Amino acid sequence: EAQVTQNPRYLITVTGKKLTVTCSQNMNHEYMSWYRQDPGLGLRQIYYSMNVEVTDKGDVPEGYKVSRKEKRNFPLILESPSPNQTSLYFCASSLRDPTTDRSPLHFGNGTRLTVT
Amino acid sequence: DAKTTQPNSMESNEEEPVHLPCNHSTISGTDYIHWYRQLPSQGPEYVIHGLTSNVNNRMASLAIAEDRKSSTLILHRATLRDAAVYYCILRSTSNTGKLIFGQGTTLQVKP
Repeated sequence: EAQVTQNPRYLITVTGKKLTVTCSQNMNHEYMSWYRQDPGLGLRQIYYSMNVEVTDKGDVPEGYKVSRKEKRNFPLILESPSPNQTSLYFCASSLRDPTTDRSPLHFGNGTRLTVT
Repeated sequence: DAKTTQPNSMESNEEEPVHLPCNHSTISGTDYIHWYRQLPSQGPEYVIHGLTSNVNNRMASLAIAEDRKSSTLILHRATLRDAAVYYCILRSTSNTGKLIFGQGTTLQVKP
């Protein structure tokens, strides 16, 4: 089944403890992206990747890192999490750049992160 | 950056058509207009997209203004399962691949 898989679904951690949220897609998609969703602020893009070894900042990249060493994986890394990074995170992928192509975005089921 | 403006919320009665508007006055000539929706407790899902002409699929229709500065997502017969947040999306004008979602429109469907 074609899907975007995020892990974990729920994560509670403490300030400053490095964590990684994994994202994997099995559709051979070139484009992958991370979003965070907060009440009243909608979906905001953190980072995106147009292909392997190509990443770029979205609207809210501060405090996050990403890597794209393989086409299928796009992990989100929080080196030193803080309480303001408590949020619902979504990973998404599409065949190509969805902004200039017909490719729709496929989203994962989300990761709810709480930083205390 | 390319920006979209949508009403915060709308209401509809079940079985009636719903027109969800989106303004995107800074759209550029190559920007596709994408619509997604997010059901409660789920990730967003693709609904429809278009460039210049009106588009139809099994979920909805997309009407695009002639000057492309606005578009309307049309649900022909709203059902309770259509209650969701609907997002109209363009890319950022400064970077290909950077997507601006905006806050979306929360659609309530009344039985």
